[in-house]
Amino acid sequence: GQQVMQIPQYQHVQEGEDFTTYCNSSTTLSNIQWYKQRPGGHPVFLIQLVKSGEVKKQKRLTFQFGEAKKNSSLHITATQTTDVGTYFCAGQGGGADGLTFGKGTHLIIQP
Amino acid sequence: EAGVTQFPSHSVIEKGQTVTLRCDPISGHDNLYWYRRVMGKEIKFLLHFVKESKQDESGMPNNRFLAERTGGTYSTLKVQPAELEDSGVYFCASSQEPMGLRTEAFFGQGTRLTVV
Repeated sequence: GQQVMQIPQYQHVQEGEDFTTYCNSSTTLSNIQWYKQRPGGHPVFLIQLVKSGEVKKQKRLTFQFGEAKKNSSLHITATQTTDVGTYFCAGQGGGADGLTFGKGTHLIIQP
Repeated sequence: EAGVTQFPSHSVIEKGQTVTLRCDPISGHDNLYWYRRVMGKEIKFLLHFVKESKQDESGMPNNRFLAERTGGTYSTLKVQPAELEDSGVYFCASSQEPMGLRTEAFFGQGTRLTVV
């Protein structure tokens, strides 16, 4: 079945440093979504990428979808303490209706 | 507008017992999804309802899990009998359009199930 690999599993950064998480799918995706989950919370939708090579920005967050629609990245510029949480990518494709989630990247920020 | 609500927020049951989880989607959302996250692993898709019909249940782990959505409103997920490996957080999500049609899914807070 479809698999989505996400790295790194944990990332410690100093406040103000940049952060990037990467996702790789075993199959071509129709779209990829990114979610953020705060400690004790639930996944909250950030963005959806559909087009090959798409790049979208939300303030300090930059999302990319690879040309082959098999990989994606989320980059945060100048992290702030409010960015703490787990970032999940979730791809759709391969026949199932639901999303296939990556394991998530836990972002820990040291002031 | 109320979000997706799940009940209970926590449940601790003994192995062999039955537990029923409930999800109330956002009003008007025909699409309802169940996901679960077993400790230390990724969030995994269980099944997808469109109104009261099961559109895709390919993620259901075995026949101890039964999901229903009578009347196309709220949904229940029953685990009977529960096993230790069923422990985890069960998330429900709803969306107006099916996922993948340029729409976001709204997740509930999840039900943390612990089987002892």
